[in-house]
Amino acid sequence: DAGVIQSPRHEVTEMGQEVTLRCKPISGHNSLFWYRQTMMRGLELLIYFNNNVPIDDSGMPEDRFSAKMPNASFSTLKIQPSEPRDSAVYFCAGKQGNTGELFFGEGSRLTVL
Amino acid sequence: DAKTTQPTSMDCAEGRAANLPCNHSTISGNEYVYWYRQIHSQGPQYIIHGLKNNETNEMASLIITEDRKSSTLILPHATLRDTAVYYCIVPPFEFKLSFGAGTTVTVRA
Repeated sequence: DAGVIQSPRHEVTEMGQEVTLRCKPISGHNSLFWYRQTMMRGLELLIYFNNNVPIDDSGMPEDRFSAKMPNASFSTLKIQPSEPRDSAVYFCAGKQGNTGELFFGEGSRLTVL
Repeated sequence: DAKTTQPTSMDCAEGRAANLPCNHSTISGNEYVYWYRQIHSQGPQYIIHGLKNNETNEMASLIITEDRKSSTLILPHATLRDTAVYYCIVPPFEFKLSFGAGTTVTVRA
């Protein structure tokens, strides 16, 4: 299994541009999480899905952020418009069943100029 | 969520055991203790978890006190590749994990 696949690995964009981050979870994992990591705030949970349904999006910073999971093998996190303070590493993670064992991707490093 | 408290940092000599403490005095009877680590520039990695009994796997051992108010993660023979931030987490029933600051472990040759 290739593990959790995230793309792009690195993105540099200008303020105001739309950013789309993508995640392919491990096959069979029915829960998916999006985290954001910065030096100042550490790892923050943004949103998580269970069986493709958003369960808790209380960590999404504001309306500029949106996440979708159209099917069990794909999720997107979109930022529109992006701002410099959105610069961070965004991680996607998945799990199967009732457990706390998450499998993380390598992350997408976003820099907004 | 049950709050966890970990030391900010610790050093360990290569080849020696690394003992990482964690306090979770507000843990409830059915909450698990999970440990993760994050090596620089990588995503967090699951290490081990436990409820009451001590646990061991190929990566580490987990010792949980009888009152469950604290635990210790043991890396039996630390290597330079074990240098990472280690997180002790007590997740709520829906396993929505919150990562604190963790312990930065530096293994020195």
